[in-house]
Amino acid sequence: EAGVAQSPRYKIIEKRQSVAFWCNPISGHATLYWYQQILGQGPKLLIQFQNNGVVDDSQLPKDRFSAERLKGVDSTLKIQPAKLEDSAVYLCASSRDRDYGYTFGSGTRLTVV
Amino acid sequence: AQSVTQPDIHITVSEGASLELRCNYSYGATPYLFWYVQSPGQGLQLLLKYFSGDTLVQGIKGFEAEFKRSQSSFNLRKPSVHWSDAAEYFCAVGARNFGNEKLTFGTGTRLTIIP
Repeated sequence: EAGVAQSPRYKIIEKRQSVAFWCNPISGHATLYWYQQILGQGPKLLIQFQNNGVVDDSQLPKDRFSAERLKGVDSTLKIQPAKLEDSAVYLCASSRDRDYGYTFGSGTRLTVV
Repeated sequence: AQSVTQPDIHITVSEGASLELRCNYSYGATPYLFWYVQSPGQGLQLLLKYFSGDTLVQGIKGFEAEFKRSQSSFNLRKPSVHWSDAAEYFCAVGARNFGNEKLTFGTGTRLTIIP
């Protein structure tokens, strides 16, 4: 089966600009996650979706980050405005159900200058 | 709150030597436990997981891990490493019945293999 697709692979923006990342999960996977991985740290969950509903967004900085999963398939994560500390790899993952059966994408590396 | 500690930031071993990566967790009960590997520019790949039952878990690529409740540990082992094992290794915990399936990761251990 095809894996979790993410784009772009790399993005460089200036602080205060906006940016969006896209994720296409594995077909049939109802659960979708966005993680932020800052250099030297382990990934941290930003948001979990079940179909197109939010399960957990307690660690999403909602003043600047937003995420949506329209129609319960693809998802977009947006940052507006970006700060220097947002420089990180943003990983998308999906699972068939709420069973910890994660498959991760390759991630989007964001550099904010 | 759950947390994971990986005390070794960087480990160097010779090819063919044995390997043990340490992982300690903090959680009120027995969590779900995972080991992931991340190669440069890649996402995370699951090596093995522990949910219940036999405390010695076999994974892919010849890796195994042992859950020790008394020590709150879940150390990863491999009897003989290959150059292709060079990567970053992450231990993670998941809560049971917490309302979400969040993984809490350690800070990772970078493994270097020398010929």
